[in-house]
Amino acid sequence: ETGVTQTPRHLVMGMTNKKSLKCEQHLGHNAMYWYKQSAKKPLELMFVYNFKEQTENNSVPSRFSPECPNSSHLFLHLHTLQPEDSALYLCASSQGQISTDTQYFGPGTRLTVL
Amino acid sequence: QQPVQSPQAVILREGEDAVINCSSSKALYSVHWYRQKHGEAPVFLMILLKGGEQKGHEKISASFNEKKQQSSLYLTASQLSYSGTYFCGTRAGGTSYGKLTFGQGTILTVHP
Repeated sequence: ETGVTQTPRHLVMGMTNKKSLKCEQHLGHNAMYWYKQSAKKPLELMFVYNFKEQTENNSVPSRFSPECPNSSHLFLHLHTLQPEDSALYLCASSQGQISTDTQYFGPGTRLTVL
Repeated sequence: QQPVQSPQAVILREGEDAVINCSSSKALYSVHWYRQKHGEAPVFLMILLKGGEQKGHEKISASFNEKKQQSSLYLTASQLSYSGTYFCGTRAGGTSYGKLTFGQGTILTVHP
């Protein structure tokens, strides 16, 4: 499945670094999502974009900054992260605004904060 | 409020059956089931809309009991490839699209 791609797949960064995660969807969808997946925890929704507009910010710390330049691309800019931010970050996309709206996930970026 | 899945883990031998439940305290519009293998993306299995519809996907099927706000995923004659973590994602009543809230996952292990 290559409908949703994410880069990089793995990232190790120090607490003072600045890095960005990239997500691209090739499904013609209008909505894109960032999730955080930590060990033994449910998927946590971070941000939702619908037609490039942010429609949800789930009380995410400001050290995470999303950007959605168009409906196909989504970025997550990271700065001054904490070790507890280490997790798998998943991007998803969906058609949006239909009764059977289904989210399709990318493979994720495994982030380690030292 | 996230849905609650049960059991937390299941161990099966090939050919055995399993049921995974997903319960919510909220009125639901839809329930979405996913399977995630280690190191891979969650893969969409099926969606159940309110109305008690039952759906099938080869030997994996699911039901949605609107009165109980509960969905059950049925895996019959399990195969090794069924191993993984199963998540339900729920969408609250009144919203047909957008935010999903996920359960904590059920780890399914199928042995030869």
